[in-house]
Amino acid sequence: AQSVTQPDIHITVSEGASLELRCNYSYGATPYLFWYVQSPGQGLQLLLKYFSGDTLVQGIKGFEAEFKRSQSSFNLRKPSVHWSDAAEYFCAVGASSGTYKYIFGTGTRLKVLA
Amino acid sequence: GAGVSQSPSNKVTEKGKDVELRCDPISGHTALYWYRQSLGQGLEFLIYFQGNSAPDKSGLPSDRFSAERTGGSVSTLTIQRTQQEDSAVYLCASSEANSYEQYFGPGTRLTVT
Repeated sequence: AQSVTQPDIHITVSEGASLELRCNYSYGATPYLFWYVQSPGQGLQLLLKYFSGDTLVQGIKGFEAEFKRSQSSFNLRKPSVHWSDAAEYFCAVGASSGTYKYIFGTGTRLKVLA
Repeated sequence: GAGVSQSPSNKVTEKGKDVELRCDPISGHTALYWYRQSLGQGLEFLIYFQGNSAPDKSGLPSDRFSAERTGGSVSTLTIQRTQQEDSAVYLCASSEANSYEQYFGPGTRLTVT
């Protein structure tokens, strides 16, 4: 069965430090992968997506993610975190059933220290 | 342009009452999804509509939950005889046909007392 694992429930980093949020997936074929961010009281905003091609994808707000098939991972990175990046981050995989629904990870809550 | 909108933004109801949650997708988007975000359960898929095709209801947790989509646009999620475990944020998303890129609304926070 398809699944997405985000092993870190909470992460705290200092402003200006680099960030990496982990995401591992279980999927039989080439997956469609997504990272979303949810600020408090807000809906989900798409940060970036991977469908095919270049395994390093660039997104909004200075985020990037790298698809590594051998590790079944799609980790999200940012070289220098801003206080406004404090939010919850969700990794998702597009299901293969033809309905285009997402299977989400449980999320990682990011706290940024001033 | 306008994004996905949901109403109400907050709903408090008593156990046993019925509630209706509304979603207005982005104009021109033929696909519409409902998800539930609850503590301890993360984000769960509930139901998917695509055009005039039969909806994928595989994520609905019980027969107390139902959804409809009128005219291929607005959708209503109905929860009958609400229970405390139904308390959650209900998120709606829409997308273009045959696209994995979904756009989410702000959600409706449902509290069952």
